Amino acid sequence: GAGVSQSPSNKVTEKGKDVELRCDPISGHTALYWYRQSLGQGLEFLIYFQGNSAPDKSGLPSDRFSAERTGGSVSTLTIQRTQQEDSAVYLCASSLEGARGTGELFFGEGSRLTVL
Amino acid sequence: RKEVEQDPGPFNVPEGATVAFNCTYSNSASQSFFWYRQDCRKEPKLLMSVYSSGNEDGRFTAQLNRASQYISLLIRDSKLSDSATYLCVVSSYKLIFGSGTRLLVRP
Repeated sequence: GAGVSQSPSNKVTEKGKDVELRCDPISGHTALYWYRQSLGQGLEFLIYFQGNSAPDKSGLPSDRFSAERTGGSVSTLTIQRTQQEDSAVYLCASSLEGARGTGELFFGEGSRLTVL
Repeated sequence: RKEVEQDPGPFNVPEGATVAFNCTYSNSASQSFFWYRQDCRKEPKLLMSVYSSGNEDGRFTAQLNRASQYISLLIRDSKLSDSATYLCVVSSYKLIFGSGTRLLVRP
């Protein structure tokens, strides 16, 4: 499809393990965001990539979290030494122009992470 | 203080009612404003942008008050299908979401 694709859709892991979440944005979209949403809560900003600029990592909750975007396309969010409080849905979104455009973010269906 | 604050609700209203949500933001440098809608267990989707002059899209009206740093969304003639969480979004250069206001429209 032509939408934002995320994988895995569900991930169950044990506390202390590392996980990688992948996002494949819409082709040609220069802006890519990662958000986290816990049950019944709003979207918590994690990181923002815009073109070739340095990413805004100000929302990453700890140094266990990192993200990269290779070739201006696919992005990977890595969580090291997972903790139970990391359990959430991790949402990736892309947009054509970033925040200064229409503001229309296209979201993937999310990766639901459960840390036991 | 959160950058974007919303009343979580829920707002429980009968079909046909008019309902309004407000949202406040803390960053006076914010330039772009939006309302998104999120259905249960689904991803958020853009409902409408918010312009300084106010704008309307069918039964939905959005307004911005820069001096007071708040945004509003008015829904007229509520439908059952309007039941969802409404997310206020504010941007200076990156998009920050509020926690959302939950709307329940009952028959």
